[in-house]
Amino acid sequence: SAVISQKPSRDICQRGTSLTIQCQVDSQVTMMFWYRQQPGQSLTLIATANQGSEATYESGFVIDKFPISRPNLTFSTLTVSNMSPEDSSIYLCSTRQGSDYGYTFGSGTRLTVV
Amino acid sequence: GENVEQHPSTLSVQEGDSAVIKCTYSDSASNYFPWYKQELGKRPQLIIDIRSNVGEKKDQRIAVTLNKTAKHFSLHITETQPEDSAVYFCAAYRRGSTLGRLYFGRGTQLTVWP
Repeated sequence: SAVISQKPSRDICQRGTSLTIQCQVDSQVTMMFWYRQQPGQSLTLIATANQGSEATYESGFVIDKFPISRPNLTFSTLTVSNMSPEDSSIYLCSTRQGSDYGYTFGSGTRLTVV
Repeated sequence: GENVEQHPSTLSVQEGDSAVIKCTYSDSASNYFPWYKQELGKRPQLIIDIRSNVGEKKDQRIAVTLNKTAKHFSLHITETQPEDSAVYFCAAYRRGSTLGRLYFGRGTQLTVWP
């Protein structure tokens, strides 16, 4: 299955600033997914990123707040814009290498906004 | 969309006992059901999965059963060990009109007491 490298692993940011999270996959994958996980909670899908097209956002998430790039089949970024303390969370990327493999996750980015 | 319910939210067992976590889903179009284990501060790790054309799958001490008619699936862990302590998430994969995605349950905190 695909192996994902995610960075940064953690960051503390000032409110009003932006943070870009990167995910690099060791193989070409069609779709990448971005999740948010609040402490002690389940995973909430933010958006699905397909190479060559605009990301598809879930209800409650908008492109202006969480712009996503997907320049090629092995890389994606998620930006958390104009951050507030409510954005403090763990952000994870995920992908699936073909239909015969399960979904794998990056190691996560623990974001704290102060 | 799909709705995945997971029970119980917490589960404590004695080492050597069995643990069972149950999930229900709402959409009969869902056709793939993975289970993830997430240790504290770590990424979710796929531990077992089952497709809708299979009723049961086993991998050493872990098994998953699926009842498509009743729309529920369960994770069974036998001979539990303290290292099984973690949060377990069930999920259902449903393919939409253009994109497929996972829908996660809320998670079960499993504690195995030595």
